[in-house]
Amino acid sequence: QVQLVESGGGVVQPGRSLRLSCAASGFTFRNCAMHWVRQAPGKGLEWVAATSHDGSNKYYADSVKGRFTISRDNAKNTVDLQMNSLRSEDTAVYYCAREEGAPDYWGQGTLVTVSS
Amino acid sequence: QAGLTQPPSVSKGLGQTATLTCPGNSNNVGNQGAAWLQHHQGHPPKLLSYRNNNRPSGISERFSASRSGNTASLTITGLQPEDEADYYCSAWDSSLSAWVFGGGTKLTVL
Repeated sequence: QVQLVESGGGVVQPGRSLRLSCAASGFTFRNCAMHWVRQAPGKGLEWVAATSHDGSNKYYADSVKGRFTISRDNAKNTVDLQMNSLRSEDTAVYYCAREEGAPDYWGQGTLVTVSS
Repeated sequence: QAGLTQPPSVSKGLGQTATLTCPGNSNNVGNQGAAWLQHHQGHPPKLLSYRNNNRPSGISERFSASRSGNTASLTITGLQPEDEADYYCSAWDSSLSAWVFGGGTKLTVL
């Protein structure tokens, strides 16, 4: 069965960096685009970034452009999100999601808290 | 990035029908259609339909999506207590090269 497991969340000070990782299994990872989506406390879902199946195309929300970088390793079935220059408004649960027509399978999420 | 518009809340009685709407534009909903997700807090979102009315396996036929022009809709028939959740529409926006989400509609089943 499809499984997506995020890791790397935690508490980090403003301005610092954090790297999230998502390990995928149960499907042909190299065939699927992958997304990161977040939900801040008390807020709705916010799309963060996406990568095409082969990593040749990457897309970002304006709110993270220039600070976050999405990458994938199709040999290891992982997709990462490098987050630099973190701000308090980046505090959220971060989900990775597979895309098959739409983000169809989601991980359980990992909590990132940006606080001094 | 401009998101999609959703009413913040809808309340309906047990067994009734709820219709949730999601107006977009020709670059997102009107282009490739919308996806609908159900989100119970503390759990990952669940995809209910995509590209207007393609239902993933295992999703009840009580959930039906459609599109009219640039507006997507999700109809839930025979409301059950477990349908109480947040519902999000989402679409790829070709002009922004970004996925956009609606703000979500909180469905309350009375």
